Amino acid sequence: GENVEQHPSTLSVQEGDSAVIKCTYSDSASNYFPWYKQELGKRPQLIIDIRSNVGEKKDQRIAVTLNKTAKHFSLHITETQPEDSAVYFCAASSAAGNKLTFGGGTRVLVKP
Amino acid sequence: DTEVTQTPKHLVMGMTNKKSLKCEQHMGHRAMYWYKQKAKKPPELMFVYSYEKLSINESVPSRFSPECPNSSLLNLHLHALQPEDSALYLCASSQESGREKLFFGSGTQLSVL
Repeated sequence: GENVEQHPSTLSVQEGDSAVIKCTYSDSASNYFPWYKQELGKRPQLIIDIRSNVGEKKDQRIAVTLNKTAKHFSLHITETQPEDSAVYFCAASSAAGNKLTFGGGTRVLVKP
Repeated sequence: DTEVTQTPKHLVMGMTNKKSLKCEQHMGHRAMYWYKQKAKKPPELMFVYSYEKLSINESVPSRFSPECPNSSLLNLHLHALQPEDSALYLCASSQESGREKLFFGSGTQLSVL
């Protein structure tokens, strides 16, 4: 089945700096890659997603890039703010398209 | 209504108890999911219902029994649980199963004594 690796497991940045989280996946047939943010004690919420027919997608301070050849995708957060502090999970959809496999998560701390 | 509602928010049960977790959505989504999340870990898929039929069971022990009474409701029946089953149980829904945005409920924090 699909295996998703996520790095780093923790990331501490100064407010205003950029944060980058990287994920690799194993199933070359996967074609949907969402990112979820989970604040402490809250539910995971989708922040951005990308499909395999697109190489990059942006939404304000958040961007995701996908390299299908290398089977990796990354989340970029620019001008980080304290409210960006949370755990971020990447995920990849199985070839059958009926379930998501999550990466291990990255705990991001934005220091004021 | 763009929310997935789960009840109860917290549950403490003994190993001999029988309890049920409930989940409801009114977004017209046709796929509903149960995930288990341990502290500092990612959500782990347990079951997927698509059009009210069980489409995925991730080899979950039979002490967990899902039920989908209709397109808006999803239950998880619990019986003879073990302490290691203590976790946050998240329900989610999506338009269709697979390559679509998941809407998560706020979860049930379960403690098995």
